[in-house]
Formats: sequence, structure tokens, C-alpha cells
Amino acid sequence: DTEVTQTPKHLVMGMTNKKSLKCEQHMGHRAMYWYKQKAKKPPELMFVYSYEKLSINESVPSRFSPECPNSSLLNLHLHALQPEDSALYLCASSQGFGGTYGYTFGSGTRLTVV
Amino acid sequence: AQSVTQPDIHITVSEGASLELRCNYSYGATPYLFWYVQSPGQGLQLLLKYFSGDTLVQGIKGFEAEFKRSQSSFNLRKPSVHWSDAAEYFCAVGPAGTASKLTFGTGTRLQVTL
Repeated sequence: DTEVTQTPKHLVMGMTNKKSLKCEQHMGHRAMYWYKQKAKKPPELMFVYSYEKLSINESVPSRFSPECPNSSLLNLHLHALQPEDSALYLCASSQGFGGTYGYTFGSGTRLTVV
Repeated sequence: AQSVTQPDIHITVSEGASLELRCNYSYGATPYLFWYVQSPGQGLQLLLKYFSGDTLVQGIKGFEAEFKRSQSSFNLRKPSVHWSDAAEYFCAVGPAGTASKLTFGTGTRLQVTL
């Protein structure tokens, strides 16, 4: 299995909703990442987990809450989002902390906040 | 701080023609350099990467890139473009030793005419 699987593929949520994005990989990668990508823009790093511990938080607002329950799973919990948070959320993993071998990206979750 | 510049926002080539996408980076030491491709609504796929050694790097799908330290460039090339190569291409740079914080360029959209 050489994939990163993200669910759901599309999500529409209201500003008062609570939802979660899920990311799963079974490649034995020990680093996992959340990126946010706005239309026609490059991906922006949000969080990095290394060996299931949060290593990097790029000053992301607290309405985004990451969680890494085990080495294969990465969640992003969403609460009280704003319309400007609408974007493609990409999960990625890498063999080690640092992406020396490059990242494997999932197909993303297209989030729309209404 | 590291940065990446992709001077061409949009490039159009004819199928069968050669392709070169430009990437210039700014970083104090030898960085890790990557090229990713993204089809519409999809995640990013790693085309190739450079860390050290041979400055001409071969990647997947017939792509290659050349690292030129003197020009701080890492241009992507393909001798003969196929219609399926139409996509967004991102150059990325990460600190040597750890590429955990990749910085992406703004991307180049490739259009292929038949």
C-alpha cells in the first residue's frame, strides 16, 4: 500500500459545526503533515507530527485541532470555522521526519464553510 | 529564510514539444529540492528530488531536472510533452538535513495543445 487516504473527499459545514478530517497511511511512515491549499495557490504547512507527537504548529488558529491517535492515522478536528477557511486540505506522510525521501500526498478534502 | 520563485505562472506547449519549467531558490546552504505535479482536484505527486551528488536528476514520467548552484536554479525539463502532462507544477525547497518545512513556489500551470 503506497497511498495516503483522506476522507471525506468533500465536506460542507456551517460555521457552528464540528467536523473532522481523516488521513490514513499504511506505509510505515513516521511523519505526517497537514497542509492547506487555497485555489491557485501553493500548499501551506499547518502541522507536522513526528512519531505521533506534534512537532510543528505553524501558528494555526485553535479552531483547527490536529490529533495523531497512532502511527497510521492523522485527524484534523474543525470547530467554528470561518468562510475563509474554505480550501483543499492535504495530508502527507514521509518515511522520516524531514521528508528526505519526499512526501506522499493524499488527494485532499475539499472543505467549504458556509 | 528560504524561498522559491517560479517565474512562469502559465505555459502553453504543443504536444510533442520540449518543456522547461523554471525554478529559482534562495537558501543559505545546499537545500533539498523537489518538483511536484498536481492535477486538478488532486493531491501532489513527487516527480523528482535533489539532495546531493549528480546534478542531473531523473524522475518519473520522463521528467528530469538540473541543479545549478551558480544560478540557484532547479529547472524541470521534458523532451517531449504529452497531453496528459497538463497540470500544475510546484517547485519546493527544504533545509538540508530536514525537509520537514518545505516551502513551495507559486506554481506553473502547464497547458498542452494538440
